[in-house]
Amino acid sequence: GQNIDQPTEMTATEGAIVQINCTYQTSGFNGLFWYQQHAGEAPTFLSYNVLDGLEEKGRFSSFLSRSKGYSYLLLKELQMKDSASYLCAVRPTGRRALTFGSGTRLQVQP
Amino acid sequence: EPEVTQTPSHQVTQMGQEVILRCVPISNHLYFYWYRQILGQKVEFLVSFYNNEISEKSEIFDDQFSVERPDGSNFTLKIRSTKLEDSAMYFCASTPGGGSVHEQYFGPGTRLTVT
Repeated sequence: GQNIDQPTEMTATEGAIVQINCTYQTSGFNGLFWYQQHAGEAPTFLSYNVLDGLEEKGRFSSFLSRSKGYSYLLLKELQMKDSASYLCAVRPTGRRALTFGSGTRLQVQP
Repeated sequence: EPEVTQTPSHQVTQMGQEVILRCVPISNHLYFYWYRQILGQKVEFLVSFYNNEISEKSEIFDDQFSVERPDGSNFTLKIRSTKLEDSAMYFCASTPGGGSVHEQYFGPGTRLTVT
């Protein structure tokens, strides 16, 4: 089976940096994805990692350690519009379906 | 930029009725998915579809549910004899084919309310 853990809520200040952690246990691994979801809207893709290391994409970066079953999403220069839920999702080996964590609700304050 | 579309945006139905949720995946994509998200809960996988057949399904996707690609563009989810607990956002998603890892592109969702 799969188990994905993320903090439920986080608060950060506009302009700051925030790191959202995700740990997972899966039977096989073929990629970890981060999605952003604003309330009442669909998830939108942010980044994915298949190999260990850091992937950078503008203000967003994602890190993966497969041996530790650990990833984080780093958001820099926070803006008010970054207030949303951030979903960690894992794709097990041999499957295309994603298993999502419960999401981390980030509130950015002025 | 191409996008996944879904209709209707909101569907209200009475318990026991059948509903059909519709999706138009991105045109050159080959894999299609349905997920649901009960209010305040996580996104849950229901079913994936490839080459005109179901390729994966979760334990949620029981005999109450069925999927179909009735023509070259639409992908539908039918829920028979709806229950109160079927109330949720239903998201359609699609990905290109091939062996590489691809992100899934989600549609805007259909909010299903069963009364």
